[in-house]
Amino acid sequence: NAGVTQTPKFRILKIGQSMTLQCTQDMNHNYMYWYRQDPGMGLKLIYYSVGAGITDKGEVPNGYNVSRSTTEDFPLRLELAAPSQTSVYFCASSREKLFFGSGTQLSVL
Amino acid sequence: QQPVQSPQAVILREGEDAVINCSSSKALYSVHWYRQKHGEAPVFLMILLKGGEQKGHEKISASFNEKKQQSSLYLTASQLSYSGTYFCGTERVSSGTYKYIFGTGTRLKVLA
Repeated sequence: NAGVTQTPKFRILKIGQSMTLQCTQDMNHNYMYWYRQDPGMGLKLIYYSVGAGITDKGEVPNGYNVSRSTTEDFPLRLELAAPSQTSVYFCASSREKLFFGSGTQLSVL
Repeated sequence: QQPVQSPQAVILREGEDAVINCSSSKALYSVHWYRQKHGEAPVFLMILLKGGEQKGHEKISASFNEKKQQSSLYLTASQLSYSGTYFCGTERVSSGTYKYIFGTGTRLKVLA
């Protein structure tokens, strides 16, 4: 099992550009999450999903969008990137505990 | 509203003990503890499902007081490998579903 796979690992964006962070899990988990972690800070929930076709906002959803068309995939879309979105992004899936991807380090310059 | 952890940071010598607290203003139904090494994803340590239940993992254990809405993580005879940031986590009910949020975090540094 690969677990939770995130791509890309690193990305630099210019202000105003858009991009999609990919997340795939092969554990057949219903719950999936996106978190962001600013340098030296904790994990903030952006969006989460309880199953295919069902998503909901977390603590810091502004500037992001998600979709969940399959159980396996939960991509995170950044529209009109801003410097404030410079962060490390973690995707996770859960069954009793959270399984994390390795993270995406995003810089918006 | 995320759970608040204390202390924010702690420095230990090898072999010393530490306690990390997690306090919530809302009811806690379960508490998870994770450790995150620098540049890595958080790693699950343990889950506490019942009030008062204590769990153990190597020399790391935890307690959960449902009435006080608090959990504590106990690290005994600390090792260099214990360095990292510790997070408590819990589920919050939202619109009939559960969203998972983390506490504010505690940075732990163990020195030789």
